[in-house]
Amino acid sequence: EDQVTQSPEALRLQEGESSSLNCSYTVSGLRGLFWYRQDPGKGPEFLFTLYSAGEEKEKERLKATLTKKESFLHITAPKPEDSATYLCAVQSYAGGTSYGKLTFGQGTILTVHP
Amino acid sequence: KAGVTQTPRYLIKTRGQQVTLSCSPISGHRSVSWYQQTPGQGLQFLFEYFSETQRNKGNFPGRFSGRQFSNSRSEMNVSTLELGDSALYLCASSGGTGVEAFFGQGTRLTVV
Repeated sequence: EDQVTQSPEALRLQEGESSSLNCSYTVSGLRGLFWYRQDPGKGPEFLFTLYSAGEEKEKERLKATLTKKESFLHITAPKPEDSATYLCAVQSYAGGTSYGKLTFGQGTILTVHP
Repeated sequence: KAGVTQTPRYLIKTRGQQVTLSCSPISGHRSVSWYQQTPGQGLQFLFEYFSETQRNKGNFPGRFSGRQFSNSRSEMNVSTLELGDSALYLCASSGGTGVEAFFGQGTRLTVV
């Protein structure tokens, strides 16, 4: 069974204070690892897909990296508008042709103070 | 390009009733998945439909069901509602050229 664990559960930063969020995973054949951002009362917003160890992707102040056991979401010089819950999810090849089943972690609640 | 549309956004139902939620995927996407999100359990996979066929199912009781139409729109139904069914129900569509799933805004279901 696929498992995803995110840490920390909550993170408070000052504006401009860089940090990283962790996502550890266990999966039987990784098809993809996904990062989402979720604002209160809204659906998750897609950020990145990572497919293989060593891969990195960047978008504005966010950078996602992947190893064989975990992924990191690095936030550089965050702003208050980066405050949200960040979710990590995995999709395994055990799903066959199914692209729809994602296994999510519990998320990291990020708060950035001005 | 329009995103994933879920209706209604909010619902209040009484225990024992049934409810139907609707999801219109991104144009061209043929896979629609449903998730339940609660504070205690997080996001949990309910089921996935592709070309009107259920392709995958999570660990939920038979009270939770769904279907997909020929235009890829999907509905999920929950019968005999329980208080514990109160949650944000999210629909995601995928397909096209990638494996990413894109979510709608969700339907907030409250069972009283």
